[in-house]
Amino acid sequence: DAGVIQSPRHEVTEMGQEVTLRCKPISGHNSLFWYRQTMMRGLELLIYFNNNVPIDDSGMPEDRFSAKMPNASFSTLKIQPSEPRDSAVYFCASSPTRQGFIGNSYNSPLHFGNGTRLTVT
Amino acid sequence: EDQVTQSPEALRLQEGESSSLNCSYTVSGLRGLFWYRQDPGKGPEFLFTLYSAGEEKEKERLKATLTKKESFLHITAPKPEDSATYLCAVQAAGYSTLTFGKGTMLLVSP
Repeated sequence: DAGVIQSPRHEVTEMGQEVTLRCKPISGHNSLFWYRQTMMRGLELLIYFNNNVPIDDSGMPEDRFSAKMPNASFSTLKIQPSEPRDSAVYFCASSPTRQGFIGNSYNSPLHFGNGTRLTVT
Repeated sequence: EDQVTQSPEALRLQEGESSSLNCSYTVSGLRGLFWYRQDPGKGPEFLFTLYSAGEEKEKERLKATLTKKESFLHITAPKPEDSATYLCAVQAAGYSTLTFGKGTMLLVSP
């Protein structure tokens, strides 16, 4: 299995530009998560999807951020317009079941991609 | 609000020098506590899940333990390849997401 694939690995852009981050989850995983990591705040959940449907987007910082999952094998996180404070490493993760669901795969761990390092100047 | 605090922030050990990392948590009903390892430039890699106080899990030189307020990651006779950031996360009852601590950066010198 190729694991969770994210692109690009690095993105440098100027303030005000649109940024699109991409993620391909592990085949068969039906939950997908977007996290942001900074030195100050650590790993923060932005949004998560189950069966392509957004379940919790309370971590999305503001309207400049949007996420989509048009099908089971692809998701995007878009920032428009970008600001310097958006600079961080953005991780996508997937898991095979809806976490919290009482079942045999109750607490399936998250499988993370290697992230996109975003720098907004 | 769920909180996860990890200590120390950074730890430097000599090869073979055993130690422990701490993860203190407050959560409204613990569903699971997770340990991850993160190497520079990589995403976190799953190590263990603990579900209830008293539970222990081992993997090579690592052993994770859990009480009602904290978890420890014990590292026995570490090697330089154990150098990484170790992250702790909790899942609360009724929620489907993880809350992460900021991690402990471990450096093992030969």
